[in-house]
Amino acid sequence: TQLLEQSPQFLSIQEGENLTVYCNSSSVFSSLQWYRQEPGEGPVLLVTVVTGGEVKKLKRLTFQFGDARKDSSLHITAAQPGDTGLYLCAGDLVVGTSYGKLTFGQGTILTVHP
Amino acid sequence: ETGVTQTPRHLVMGMTNKKSLKCEQHLGHNAMYWYKQSAKKPLELMFVYNFKEQTENNSVPSRFSPECPNSSHLFLHLHTLQPEDSALYLCASSLGLAGGPGGELFFGEGSRLTVL
Repeated sequence: TQLLEQSPQFLSIQEGENLTVYCNSSSVFSSLQWYRQEPGEGPVLLVTVVTGGEVKKLKRLTFQFGDARKDSSLHITAAQPGDTGLYLCAGDLVVGTSYGKLTFGQGTILTVHP
Repeated sequence: ETGVTQTPRHLVMGMTNKKSLKCEQHLGHNAMYWYKQSAKKPLELMFVYNFKEQTENNSVPSRFSPECPNSSHLFLHLHTLQPEDSALYLCASSLGLAGGPGGELFFGEGSRLTVL
């Protein structure tokens, strides 16, 4: 059973289109992070969200944390080929002081065609 | 360049070999991690070290043996591995523990391991 469900698993779109990736759980996150991983490299942190209802923007990327802190979304506007990669959400599912065990979703592979 | 360096980048070994993966971070972080990334599976946390003390062993088989001599270096010693252990092994570091304050992970580029 996946603690963090990402959807879709694969996304293939044309340059200029918009897209949304979802990260869902039945558990509450104390914080959630989004990473992007390109082939042959390790994941790179994009954003951390910690407050229910929080919205953060990073250029054409918009990240939203659900009010109940059980879900998150990543929206990309006018996708570009450089956005191609594996997008990972990761959450701390333990509320409290037991840190260190960040749980990852299975990832969304995004391909943006020129 | 993330400040986390892993060597070797690629490793092929037989099931009876003994090898080691090395990770070094130049970020002044206090926590270091080993993750396993296999195809079609989420990243799996293997070990966590905080101030060079192991704080988490996520039920990892004993054929994987971590070593953390100081806060900047982390090793993963490998012996009598199985073909299903073939994967990308990622090292990461963070200032504070992941999920908490300062817990953003900085990953290395990974060591691609193939067990024959």
